[in-house]
Amino acid sequence: GQNIDQPTEMTATEGAIVQINCTYQTSGFNGLFWYQQHAGEAPTFLSYNVLDGLEEKGRFSSFLSRSKGYSYLLLKELQMKDSASYLCALHSGNTPLVFGKGTRLSVIA
Amino acid sequence: DAGITQSPRYKITETGRQVTLMCHQTWSHSYMFWYRQDLGHGLRLIYYSAAADITDKGEVPDGYVVSRSKTENFPLTLESATRSQTSVYFCASTRREEGEQFFGPGTRLTVL
Repeated sequence: GQNIDQPTEMTATEGAIVQINCTYQTSGFNGLFWYQQHAGEAPTFLSYNVLDGLEEKGRFSSFLSRSKGYSYLLLKELQMKDSASYLCALHSGNTPLVFGKGTRLSVIA
Repeated sequence: DAGITQSPRYKITETGRQVTLMCHQTWSHSYMFWYRQDLGHGLRLIYYSAAADITDKGEVPDGYVVSRSKTENFPLTLESATRSQTSVYFCASTRREEGEQFFGPGTRLTVL
C-alpha cells in the first residue's frame, strides 16, 4: 500500500515564502503530483515530479527526492489568493493516483 | 462547451433513495474517476474506468455502482443512499493513467 503524510494546516505572511512538505512510503514509485484546491472548488494541477530535483514554474516550485520518499512545494512571494489546500498525490505501480489529506494554507496580511 | 461537467451540482435526498450523479467530458479522455471528499479524509477514490465498458473499484466502492457505456459519460449511482454518503463528489478524467487529472466542479450531496 501507500502512505502519504502532509501537515494539516500552515499559516504564512503575504510576500513571504512557504514550504509544504509531503512524505510518502510506497513501492513502485512512478510520479508525484501537487494540486491546488480553493475552498468550495475543484482541485487543479500544479506540478508533476518523476525525477529527483527541483521543477520551477513561476512562483511555484516542486522538489522530489525519491530515495528519501520526500517532496515539497515551495510558494514564493505569497499572495492572498494562494490561500487554499495543497494536495500531494502519489502514482505507484499499476494503481490509480492516491491523494494525501492535503495541507490548508492560510496567507495573512 | 469543452471540459468536464457534473450534474447536479447540489442534491438533497433521503436515506434509502437511489441517486445518480452524472459526469460528462468532451476531451475523449480514456480514464475517468469518481472521488469523494470528506473533512479529515481528503480525496478518496470510489471507482475508476480505463475505457468504455471497463471499470474498477477504488478505495471506497461499497454502496456505489458505476457504468461506462460511452467514453464521455461516467455516471455514479448510489443504490440506497445512507447518511454516511453525505459528501462532495468529484469526477475527473485524464488521457493517460499517469497523466494530470482534470476535475469537474463537484456535486455536493446531502443524505437526510
